Amino acid sequence: ETGVTQTPRHLVMGMTNKKSLKCEQHLGHNAMYWYKQSAKKPLELMFVYSLEERVENNSVPSRFSPECPNSSHLFLHLHTLQPEDSALYLCASSQGSGGTTEAFFGQGTRLTVV
Amino acid sequence: RKEVEQDPGPFNVPEGATVAFNCTYSNSASQSFFWYRQDCRKEPKLLMSVYSSGNEDGRFTAQLNRASQYISLLIRDSKLSDSATYLCVVGQGSTLGRLYFGRGTQLTVWP
Repeated sequence: ETGVTQTPRHLVMGMTNKKSLKCEQHLGHNAMYWYKQSAKKPLELMFVYSLEERVENNSVPSRFSPECPNSSHLFLHLHTLQPEDSALYLCASSQGSGGTTEAFFGQGTRLTVV
Repeated sequence: RKEVEQDPGPFNVPEGATVAFNCTYSNSASQSFFWYRQDCRKEPKLLMSVYSSGNEDGRFTAQLNRASQYISLLIRDSKLSDSATYLCVVGQGSTLGRLYFGRGTQLTVWP
């Protein structure tokens, strides 16, 4: 069992659909992250949650809405996306207090918007 | 100014070459340092942590210079399988501490 699990692994959605990406970590970490990675581009930080509070929102469009109901789960709710939102969406977690530990990534959700 | 900055790359080297990546960070309060590797279409994975005294893992050597806020990764005797993107990552130790990722440096090792 991997430490960080993302579902679904692949998602195809229309521009008018609403879907959610799920991330679950079993590592007892208190910081969780959403990253976007478009083809042949570097990681782009979208959101950071630390101790279940959103501590960073990197000017992400409102069609992306994160939710962190508890320290083990992180969601990314999607609605009215655009084709340019097609990318690999990666979730990660780390232990952020008392000296930040390394981040563990989920395998990502490969999203295609049609 | 970005929290973590890396050599833009890409680096294209022959097998057997030695290649070095550099990284600088802006927050002097940073406490943890890592190098990650990301293969094409895969998630980033930890390559090695970086300690103040420097550390080595086989062909890979990482060094940290806190005074200059500089981190390096040296790969000796490059292999084809080393082709990947290498990410410099810096962490802060406050209660709301988190990690900051560099943009990554792409390495291609050719036969």
